[in-house]
Amino acid sequence: DAMVIQNPRYQVTQFGKPVTLSCSQTLNHNVMYWYQQKSSQAPKLLFHYYDKDFNNEADTPDNFQSRRPNTSFCFLDIRSPGLGDAAMYLCATAMSGFYEQYFGPGTRLTVT
Amino acid sequence: AQTVTQSQPEMSVQEAETVTLSCTYDTSESDYYLFWYKQPPSRQMILVIRQEAYKQQNATENRFSVNFQKAAKSFSLKISDSQLGDAAMYFCAYRSGANSKLTFGKGITLSVRP
Repeated sequence: DAMVIQNPRYQVTQFGKPVTLSCSQTLNHNVMYWYQQKSSQAPKLLFHYYDKDFNNEADTPDNFQSRRPNTSFCFLDIRSPGLGDAAMYLCATAMSGFYEQYFGPGTRLTVT
Repeated sequence: AQTVTQSQPEMSVQEAETVTLSCTYDTSESDYYLFWYKQPPSRQMILVIRQEAYKQQNATENRFSVNFQKAAKSFSLKISDSQLGDAAMYFCAYRSGANSKLTFGKGITLSVRP
């Protein structure tokens, strides 16, 4: 009964080759988040969707884009990955008005 | 901007003993929430406990409790009767009452010795 699912769990891509990470949820939550977490560091919010409204963090590089085609799915696109983009990418969901964010297991991205 | 500080990168505790993880934060807001999240190795992050700033009573969840000192902007987590499954990275997090975004501390790695 997985609630927030991320695919793939591990992704290897080449420098400059576009990559897409996916997140799906069975909770019917209206808010979805993407975080970047580098080794031994705090998760850093990249952007979030409140329903269909996209909210970008001011310091999120243009190289990162996101799509949310419906309530259940959200995608993170990295247009031209650099070595510095190697990280764990976490997806989380929440229902507006409630406190808790539910996290997926993450996708570990390696850039070669 | 709000900041969350976890100054201890690592801690170790003997199984069945008690350990306290420290966290301080800085904010000018009066309406906010504080959380402790647990991230086991290679597993997803889960919520351990939360505290509403307007509540004076410290939150407790079974073996987990917090010491919330609002004036000092301190929010520590106490784990009683530590178990091997408590070994993980623990993040302190802040959420403004005005939005749902979380600001995390750098985390602390807790190891439990059998």
